[in-house]
This record gives sequence, structure tokens and C-alpha cells, in this order.
Amino acid sequence: KAGVTQTPRYLIKTRGQQVTLSCSPISGHRSVSWYQQTPGQGLQFLFEYFSETQRNKGNFPGRFSGRQFSNSRSEMNVSTLELGDSALYLCASSLDSVNTGELFFGEGSRLTVL
Amino acid sequence: GENVEQHPSTLSVQEGDSAVIKCTYSDSASNYFPWYKQELGKRPQLIIDIRSNVGEKKDQRIAVTLNKTAKHFSLHITETQPEDSAVYFCAARMNQFYFGTGTSLTVIP
Repeated sequence: KAGVTQTPRYLIKTRGQQVTLSCSPISGHRSVSWYQQTPGQGLQFLFEYFSETQRNKGNFPGRFSGRQFSNSRSEMNVSTLELGDSALYLCASSLDSVNTGELFFGEGSRLTVL
Repeated sequence: GENVEQHPSTLSVQEGDSAVIKCTYSDSASNYFPWYKQELGKRPQLIIDIRSNVGEKKDQRIAVTLNKTAKHFSLHITETQPEDSAVYFCAARMNQFYFGTGTSLTVIP
């Protein structure tokens, strides 16, 4: 069974640009959640999608958005990039809602904003 | 919302010794407490978890204890080995997952 796949793995952008990251969950998993990982801050929750609906949202500005498609694949978008957006962005899939399921993480997309 | 604090942020132990990492949480409604291990450059992976109706769980050299009254839970690793070196994250779930800031464990051969 294939694990959670994230693309791209590495990317470099400049301030003001926008970026789209993709996450393919484990087959059969309906929940995808996104996290920002920075040194010293651990994993900060961005949002969760379940059956194409956003169920929860963390404390991030509106520049951070996401969506989920009917095949459970998810994308997150960050517009008007800032230097502080440089981080590892992890997605995790879960069989059911995060209220009941174990999280399986992808390897992450490392974003560098110059 | 929930707040999870994790200590220590770094921990060095001699091979064969035990390591203990502690986390506290603030919301008594949290009901699930997983621990993740993240090796350098790799994805976080679940190593052990405990639900709020259980006080202790053990899996070979790894154990987790939960004190619901005090709202804290701990990870215990016995007979540490160099391959245990990694960053460990605790988490509490209450509608979403709230993670601690991580503990970088180094096991010295």
C-alpha cells in the first residue's frame, strides 16, 4: 500500500509569489490535514479536509488556503509569500476524521522563501 | 483551544540508559495522545499512543503513561540504542491534533 505522497519535495520562491503544494493520501483515507513545521515551533495545524469539506482550521492568515478533491487528494496554497513562510509543510492522512483516526504523514514539502 | 507543552527540548543519554520525555496538556476533553518519532530528513512516524481511558501502555522498550488528573503524559524509552536518536513529538487530540514543540534525543554510543 503506497504511503502519503507530497509534491514537490523542495521548492524555492521569492517574496510575493504564491505556491501550491499537493498531497495524495493513502488509498481509502478520506481525511487530509496539513501542518507547518519550523524549528522550535513543532507542528502547527493549518487545516483538515474530510470528504472535500474543510472541517477545522488553525490560526493562520487567509493567505493559507486548501481544498480537497473527490479522490481525496488535497492541495494547499499560500499566496503573497513572506520570508516567515519558509518551513516544512507536512500533510497527513487518516482513514476517517482526525477525531478517530491515526495520522500517517508524508515526507513533506520544504519551502524556502527568499 | 488546547495547549501542549513538551520538555525537555533536548536530551542526551548514554547508550543503555533510559530516556523520559514529558508533556502536559490543558484541555481535559482531549482523548487521544500519540507520540511520533521523526528521524532527520524523514516523516514523523507513530511509535506509540494512548487513549484517555488507559493509564499506561507498553510496547517492548517503549512505554507511555497518562495522568488525566494532572493532565500530563510521558514517553519512557528503556535500554536506549543509537537508532533511537531522533526528534520526538507528543500530541493531544481534541477535534484536531495539537503537537508539542519536540524533543531532540541523542543516544551516545
